[in-house]
Amino acid sequence: RKEVEQDPGPFNVPEGATVAFNCTYSNSASQSFFWYRQDCRKEPKLLMSVYSSGNEDGRFTAQLNRASQYISLLIRDSKLSDSATYLCVVNKYAGVYNKLIFGAGTRLAVHP
Amino acid sequence: GAGVSQSPRYKVAKRGQDVALRCDPISGHVSLFWYQQALGQGPEFLTYFQNEAQLDKSGLPSDRFFAERPEGSVSTLKIQRTQQEDSAVYLCASSRGAGHTFGSGTRLTVV
Repeated sequence: RKEVEQDPGPFNVPEGATVAFNCTYSNSASQSFFWYRQDCRKEPKLLMSVYSSGNEDGRFTAQLNRASQYISLLIRDSKLSDSATYLCVVNKYAGVYNKLIFGAGTRLAVHP
Repeated sequence: GAGVSQSPRYKVAKRGQDVALRCDPISGHVSLFWYQQALGQGPEFLTYFQNEAQLDKSGLPSDRFFAERPEGSVSTLKIQRTQQEDSAVYLCASSRGAGHTFGSGTRLTVV
């Protein structure tokens, strides 16, 4: 079983739709959680950190459920420019540093 | 520099050839990571440097893979006797805290 699991999609949604991505992780000791965005043939870029209390950044809302080891990302009012792969990321403490473990990503395609 | 710089951007190698991939991290970033990203997958950890010290190389897939960062700045990932399964995007990232800043990657194709 992979340490971080995501639904690969693709999610095909019309502009203006609300879409939610889920992710589960296996390491209960993980302390830091992130969503990264990766455009086709580009490098991953940090979208937002995820906190236990939940956090919102404009149209994007991230939630963390530590008990269920579950992370979510909600995108409201989808734009064409939101089309990308969304990577769920958790940290794994490796003794002297924090290693980031990436999920395989969920592809989102927003169409007119 | 302003960001993480990687070169070459693309590399085609014949099977059995040796390759060297370069990473120039953000100035002052102590931590440097190498990842391998296969098509349709997320980045997979290869190795980690703290300054010039390679503290974790547990992700290197075989002894054909070697990485160095001799002066704690520029890093080189070397792959000897390349195989077709080495074809992937190799990403370098540097950080000063929890998050990573990635370079654009080197797309390696072994033919």
